[in-house]
Amino acid sequence: DVKVTQSSRYLVKRTGEKVFLECVQDMDHENMFWYRQDPGLGLRLIYFSYDVKMKEKGDIPEGYSVSREKKERFSLILESASTNQTSMYLCASREQGLAGGLEYFGPGTRLTVT
Amino acid sequence: SQQGEEDPQALSIQEGENATMNCSYKTSINNLQWYRQNSGRGLVHLILIRSNEREKHSGRLRVTLDTSKKSSSLLITASRAADTASYFCATARYNQGGKLIFGQGTELSVKP
Repeated sequence: DVKVTQSSRYLVKRTGEKVFLECVQDMDHENMFWYRQDPGLGLRLIYFSYDVKMKEKGDIPEGYSVSREKKERFSLILESASTNQTSMYLCASREQGLAGGLEYFGPGTRLTVT
Repeated sequence: SQQGEEDPQALSIQEGENATMNCSYKTSINNLQWYRQNSGRGLVHLILIRSNEREKHSGRLRVTLDTSKKSSSLLITASRAADTASYFCATARYNQGGKLIFGQGTELSVKP
């Protein structure tokens, strides 16, 4: 079974702090994704990566950056956390390229910025 | 607005009844996927239906796709309390590397 793990289930940070959210997948998937999920807004794509060191902006990249130094690991970085970044963050991976295959999700990190 | 929009937003039924959720979308798609999310957890994929397919089954799940109406439905038969969750449809964007656009979900409550 594909396993996607995220470094923390719950995280509380202060405004202005630099925050790292880590995601690791064990199935050698090329594609990895970061979403945030907010009530009434569903899941929104922040960034994605289709290969090591490759990244592309999603729909809401402002205030975030990412890093993919190894195939299995995709990190989301909040350079200076703000209260409007309080959300549930979900990481996903996928094996197919252009056809749009199934995504495998991690358990999520609920981030609170105070 | 969101590509995939689910209807209804919330559904409450008794155990043993069938649950039907609908999804509408706006643009051309490669495929449409349904996911389930238990409260406060990650999403789990249920079923993928390709744009050239009309119906697909998996256990108690039945998914239909009507590309002329740009809509899909998810039917859960003989529902159980354990089916209580949020259900999302997601469309794979045709010319954008298959990135998914998620709807806002249907919250299903199955009462024992």
